[in-house]
Amino acid sequence: AIRMTQSPSSFSASTGDRVTITCRASQGISSYLAWYQQKPGKAPKLLIYAASTLQSGVPSRFSGSGSGTDFTLTISCLQSEDFTTYYCQQYYSYPYTFGQGTKLEIK
Amino acid sequence: EVQLVESGGGLVQPGGSLRLSCAASGFTFSSYSMDWVRQAPGKGLEWVSYISSSGSTIYYADSVKGRFTVSRDNAKNSLYLQMNSLRAEDTAVYYCARDRNIAVAGSFDYWGQGTLVTVS
Repeated sequence: AIRMTQSPSSFSASTGDRVTITCRASQGISSYLAWYQQKPGKAPKLLIYAASTLQSGVPSRFSGSGSGTDFTLTISCLQSEDFTTYYCQQYYSYPYTFGQGTKLEIK
Repeated sequence: EVQLVESGGGLVQPGGSLRLSCAASGFTFSSYSMDWVRQAPGKGLEWVSYISSSGSTIYYADSVKGRFTVSRDNAKNSLYLQMNSLRAEDTAVYYCARDRNIAVAGSFDYWGQGTLVTVS
């Protein structure tokens, strides 16, 4: 199975900051990568697919980049509702696998 | 409006069985592949199973292979997960999720609210 490693696991930032979360795959996955946001007690929400394509309805402050093994999710100007947990997921091959998550906390 | 509603979760003893259902509405269910994803309490997300739009292609995570069976009834707009030989480590919230792209499965654009399965 392809292992997905996110960094950092947790991070403190302030409203208005620009933050970047990294996701690394244990082998090349082309651009078959998605990013999700999950708030406590809620289902995950798709933010980005195909590594860099913004899902409909997602604010433009979210962006994704990368291909192969290294990927990033950037939030350009943190809003209060962005302080939650983010996951990357590869869908290059089965079994699909997720990163361990990155929890974004208010500084 | 796309809706996915899971049901069937609950408390079951180790070794027991449970059948989860996911009722879909607001889209042409028979055109989309579907997945099950679970999340143990306080833990991350784990993909469990995939079923193609016709039901002809199925995949499982190694952790559930041989114990879980995914199926669907396109006439009833419903997805199922039959879980047998349940273990404590199967305790999780189980989500059904729709594959975003009919042609390229793998990212999930709609999720149900989840149903909790507790094995104890």
